[in-house]
Amino acid sequence: SYVLTQPPSVSVAPGQTARITCRGENIDSKSVHWYQQRPGQAPVLVVYYDSDRPSGIPERLSGSNSGNTATLTISRVEAGDEADYYCQVWDTNSVHHVFGSGTKVIVL
Amino acid sequence: QVRLLESGGGLVKPGGSLRLSCAASGFTFSDYYMDWIRQVPGKGLEWVSYITNGGRDTYYADSVKGRFTISRDNTKNLLFLQMNSLRVEDTAIYFCARERGDRYTSYFGPWGRGTLVTVSS
Repeated sequence: SYVLTQPPSVSVAPGQTARITCRGENIDSKSVHWYQQRPGQAPVLVVYYDSDRPSGIPERLSGSNSGNTATLTISRVEAGDEADYYCQVWDTNSVHHVFGSGTKVIVL
Repeated sequence: QVRLLESGGGLVKPGGSLRLSCAASGFTFSDYYMDWIRQVPGKGLEWVSYITNGGRDTYYADSVKGRFTISRDNTKNLLFLQMNSLRVEDTAIYFCARERGDRYTSYFGPWGRGTLVTVSS
């Protein structure tokens, strides 16, 4: 089955840029979606179709997808960005949705 | 306002059964595929199952295939997950989520708040 790999954590100082990677074989042939999950809350969609943002999501969050790596970039990081982030794709071969392992963003 | 509200979680012994419900409001329920996704507390997300908008087609993760059954009642805007032969490793928070987008590139939004299922003797 298709596997998505994320780093367990990313640490970043306020005001700096955090980049969260999601690696999968030929992932650029798929549409990648990203979710933010704050402690004790349900996940919230923050990027869909690689780089689109739902209404209400700040422009500081952006996505890209190339080769074997999709990336969620958080610019001008704020304390409120501290959360777990998950990537997700649809795997046509297995007819399954697949989530990445998740990345905890730590704001220093 | 689109809302999803799960219920039915609780403590059950290994081998037991439980039925989860998800009440949908604020959108035309019968227009959307719906999913169940679970999360062991402190761990990552695992997709469990989805059902097409009319309820004809269903798909399951290998970990639950043959034990769990997803269904829906479009007249009452309800989604269900019947869980049988429960195992300790099924312990998790179970979220229902609305599926959006094109069929082979779909994503989830919104999600319910989740209901906790604990399987323990």
